[in-house]
Amino acid sequence: LAKTTQPISMDSYEGQEVNITCSHNNIATNDYITWYQQFPSQGPRFIIQGYKTKVTNEVASLFIPADRKSSTLSLPRVSLSDTAVYYCLVGSSGTYKYIFGTGTRLKVLA
Amino acid sequence: GAVVSQHPSRVICKSGTSVKIECRSLDFQATTMFWYRQFPKQSLMLMATSNEGSKATYEQGVEKDKFLINHASLTLSTLTVTSAHPEDSSFYICSARDPLAGVDTGELFFGEGSRLTVL
Repeated sequence: LAKTTQPISMDSYEGQEVNITCSHNNIATNDYITWYQQFPSQGPRFIIQGYKTKVTNEVASLFIPADRKSSTLSLPRVSLSDTAVYYCLVGSSGTYKYIFGTGTRLKVLA
Repeated sequence: GAVVSQHPSRVICKSGTSVKIECRSLDFQATTMFWYRQFPKQSLMLMATSNEGSKATYEQGVEKDKFLINHASLTLSTLTVTSAHPEDSSFYICSARDPLAGVDTGELFFGEGSRLTVL
């Protein structure tokens, strides 16, 4: 099971772009990288998923370098409501037994 | 997208009683569901893998007689905390995958969580 490492916490201001990097040095060939967002007292919510290069959706972008040993979640123009814990998970079909790392506690300030 | 629902969202019980938490996949069939617990300010910790029609697989250090898991149908898994004590107070979260959700990328869908408080 691929282990992930993220910064424990980050602070940002409203309107700024936030980049959260996750290290996953032992990612397997079939593994996808998935990011989740969790608010207090709620279950994690899917943000974005990718395999390589760049993926973008309506809320975030995910950058994955060629060696896939890390990934960066980019949140454009954050708002106060983006204050949450962000987890990156690495896994693939047949391997849904995810081990959560520490996650990154993002605090957006006014 | 796929929806996973938990019930109850909050439960308070007396020490020594048992509490059942339900996890349902609302619009898909889930052969496998996962149960996590989360203490305040901490990450999710995987407790067990719930397999439809067979015994659950527990993670090391998780007491199977304490946390009973039943996955009797393709849309329902239950976690029963038996003889609950204050140290069992936690946030319990289930998740499931949708085996028919397009490309099988390993995406999991999580329930809203259930907060257990044992007095």
